[in-house]
Amino acid sequence: DAGVTQSPTHLIKTRGQQVTLRCSPKSGHDTVSWYQQALGQGPQFIFQYYEEEERQRGNFPDRFSGHQFPNYSSELNVNALLLGDSALYLCASTRRGVAGGPNEQFFGPGTRLTVL
Amino acid sequence: EDQVTQSPEALRLQEGESSSLNCSYTVSGLRGLFWYRQDPGKGPEFLFTLYSAGEEKEKERLKATLTKKESFLHITAPKPEDSATYLCAVQAGNTGFQKLVFGTGTRLLVSP
Repeated sequence: DAGVTQSPTHLIKTRGQQVTLRCSPKSGHDTVSWYQQALGQGPQFIFQYYEEEERQRGNFPDRFSGHQFPNYSSELNVNALLLGDSALYLCASTRRGVAGGPNEQFFGPGTRLTVL
Repeated sequence: EDQVTQSPEALRLQEGESSSLNCSYTVSGLRGLFWYRQDPGKGPEFLFTLYSAGEEKEKERLKATLTKKESFLHITAPKPEDSATYLCAVQAGNTGFQKLVFGTGTRLLVSP
């Protein structure tokens, strides 16, 4: 049973460029979340997708956008890259939770983005 | 606003020296508290889910406990392979969509 997969592993871009990161969820999962983790910090929530729609969004500018496909895989797009966008980008998948109970999220290995 | 604070920031132990990591939280309507292990440059690895105060979960040398305001991750007789960053996260809300709010983690180094 494959876990969460992400591509590419590493990426180097220059300021002002655009980037697309990809994620395939764990088998049986239908909800994908994206997180940004700066060095020495905990992951910060970017947004969550379910049924091909953005369901929740964290405190990130509109330069960050996403998409979910019918097979539940997802993309994260970042436009007009800034130096501060350099981070580990994590994808997490889960099965949509039922109100009232915890909802474990399982993470992929991440994509390391460096903006020069 | 939901908040998670972890302490200490870093902890150095000798092999076999037991200790505890702390995670204090403020959240409206806790759905769950989660512990993850993260190795350098890799994604967080799920360890435990806790939901109710008084709940305990165990896995090998790790034991997680939960009160109404904090959680502890107890490490008994640690080995060098337990060296990693341990992250605590909370989930709140009453819908089917819940983000995780993370602390900054505790970096654990276990020396032989």
